[in-house]
Amino acid sequence: ILNVEQSPQSLHVQEGDSTNFTCSFPSSNFYALHWYRWETAKSPEALFVMTLNGDEKKKGRISATLNTKEGYSYLYIKGSQPEDSATYLCAPQYNFNKFYFGSGTKLNVKP
Amino acid sequence: DTEVTQTPKHLVMGMTNKKSLKCEQHMGHRAMYWYKQKAKKPPELMFVYSYEKLSINESVPSRFSPECPNSSLLNLHLHALQPEDSALYLCASSQDWGVVVTEAFFGQGTRLTVV
Repeated sequence: ILNVEQSPQSLHVQEGDSTNFTCSFPSSNFYALHWYRWETAKSPEALFVMTLNGDEKKKGRISATLNTKEGYSYLYIKGSQPEDSATYLCAPQYNFNKFYFGSGTKLNVKP
Repeated sequence: DTEVTQTPKHLVMGMTNKKSLKCEQHMGHRAMYWYKQKAKKPPELMFVYSYEKLSINESVPSRFSPECPNSSLLNLHLHALQPEDSALYLCASSQDWGVVVTEAFFGQGTRLTVV
């Protein structure tokens, strides 16, 4: 079993706050890092895939960075909105088709 | 069409029953996955099919039997399950281009309760 840690486990913020979460993972034999957004009763939705050390990806108000040497990734949300409320999962990939998920950060944005 | 469709959405079965979970995608993906998620735990990888062949089995008990009859369909046959097998079962698919990394698309899951 791979140890993929996400912190914090849950986060409550006010609308307009900016926030960030951490994903740490074993860096040996690392292939790629995926971030997913999962709303209750829906399918997990892919946000980013990153492969290279120093990669940065951005989609609207959400961005992510990757450090493959030390085995961590940050996800940032700028100006959180209530519709950002969801569980954010990271999933490092260690060969072509093996994704391992962290336990997620549950974000609740209050209006 | 970027959907992965899972049926049924909910399933209640007895420990002596035999049932099947189904997953379908029409994105031309050649890798398909089964994950199991228990409450407040991360999804755990169970099986991976690549080009309709089982490529990864994460030491899953034999009471779970996967099947990939064609490139669009993935089944999970269930037999003699235990109450602790109650969980959300997620199906996913992705391109399988070897060294090129691609994202996986997930279904909404089947909520299984074993009584």
